[in-house]
Amino acid sequence: GQQLNQSPQSMFIQEGEDVSMNCTSSSIFNTWLWYKQDPGEGPVLLIALYKAGELTSNGRLTAQFGITRKDSFLNISASIPSDVGIYFCAGGLIQGAQKLVFGQGTRLTINP
Amino acid sequence: DARVTQTPRHKVTEMGQEVTMRCQPILGHNTVFWYRQTMMQGLELLAYFRNRAPLDDSGMPKDRFSAEMPDATLATLKIQPSEPRDSAVYFCASGLAGRENTEAFFGQGTRLTVV
Repeated sequence: GQQLNQSPQSMFIQEGEDVSMNCTSSSIFNTWLWYKQDPGEGPVLLIALYKAGELTSNGRLTAQFGITRKDSFLNISASIPSDVGIYFCAGGLIQGAQKLVFGQGTRLTINP
Repeated sequence: DARVTQTPRHKVTEMGQEVTMRCQPILGHNTVFWYRQTMMQGLELLAYFRNRAPLDDSGMPKDRFSAEMPDATLATLKIQPSEPRDSAVYFCASGLAGRENTEAFFGQGTRLTVV
């Protein structure tokens, strides 16, 4: 089945630094979503991308849908302590069913 | 305040017991997903429903797992009999399927421990 390769698996950064993570796949997706998960909670949707090449921002977060439709990246600018958590990418396939396939996650740790 | 509600939040049970997890999707959403999250496998799709009809449950062990939607406001995931390897966090998510809309909104999960 489809698989997403998300990298890096973990990041340790200083507060104020910018963060970049990405997802790649051998399959084409019609939708890319980025989620954040805090401990003990469910994933929360951050950004949704629906068109190849689309660049979307949500506050300090920016995500892009790759032209090939096989990749996406998420950038976080000027990181703050509350950005700590696990970030997941998810690819969506519109086949009448719209399944989501998730990456393995990027664990972000911020040193104050 | 629209959100997906899951109960219970935590469940500890003995091996062999039946476990039922419940989910109330966001009102008006027509798609419901069940995911399982473990450290080793990450988020795995177990099953999903559209307009209460099961569309795909290929990710679910058929011999012990079953998923149903008795009505539009309730989805259930049942494990019978439970085994220690079923220990995980089970998430329900709902969405409103459209031409381009594939967004899924997650509940807080049920943390299952089978001893």
